[in-house]
Amino acid sequence: QVQLVESGGHSVKPGGSLRLSCATSGFTFSDYYMSWVRQAPGKGLEWLSFISGSGTTIYYADSVRGRFTISRDNAKSSLFLQLSSLTTEDTGVYYCARDQSGIPPRGEFDYWGQGTLVTVSS
Amino acid sequence: QSVLTQPPSASGAPGQRVTISCSGSSSNIGSNIVNWFQQSPRSAPKLLIYSNSQRPSGVLARFSGSKSGTSAFLAISGLRSEDEADYYCAAWDDSLSGYVFGTGTKVTVL
Repeated sequence: QVQLVESGGHSVKPGGSLRLSCATSGFTFSDYYMSWVRQAPGKGLEWLSFISGSGTTIYYADSVRGRFTISRDNAKSSLFLQLSSLTTEDTGVYYCARDQSGIPPRGEFDYWGQGTLVTVSS
Repeated sequence: QSVLTQPPSASGAPGQRVTISCSGSSSNIGSNIVNWFQQSPRSAPKLLIYSNSQRPSGVLARFSGSKSGTSAFLAISGLRSEDEADYYCAAWDDSLSGYVFGTGTKVTVL
């Protein structure tokens, strides 16, 4: 069965950096666009980034462009998000999600991980 | 502030029908497909409707989606207590060159 498991979230000081990972199994990872979505405490969902199956096409939300970097390792069926220049507004649960829709990505996130919590605080 | 606007809350008695609106513009809903997600408390979101009106395997027919112009709608019929959750619409926005979620609607079963 399809599984997505995030890791790497923890507490970090403002200005710090963090790398999140999403280990996947149960499907051909390289066939799918993948994405990161976050949710601040008590707030709604916010899309952060898409990456194509080959890793050559990437999209970012304006709020994270230049600070966050999405990447993938198809040999290890893993997705990553490098977070830098963190502020308190980056605090939240970070989810990885698989997009079933193909090319172009249409955000049909059919599988999600359980999320990993990032806390940015001094 | 999201470019897709939803009412903050909606409610209905068990068995009733509830409709949630999602208002956007020509750069998002007006020109791209809409997806809907359900998020129960302390859980990851779940794909409820994709491509405006399609239900993934396992999603009950009580949930239906539609789109008209720059607005989309999610209807829940035969409301049940387990439908209490937050619901989000989402679509690609051509102007932003990014994907956007709606502001979210909390559904309460009275």
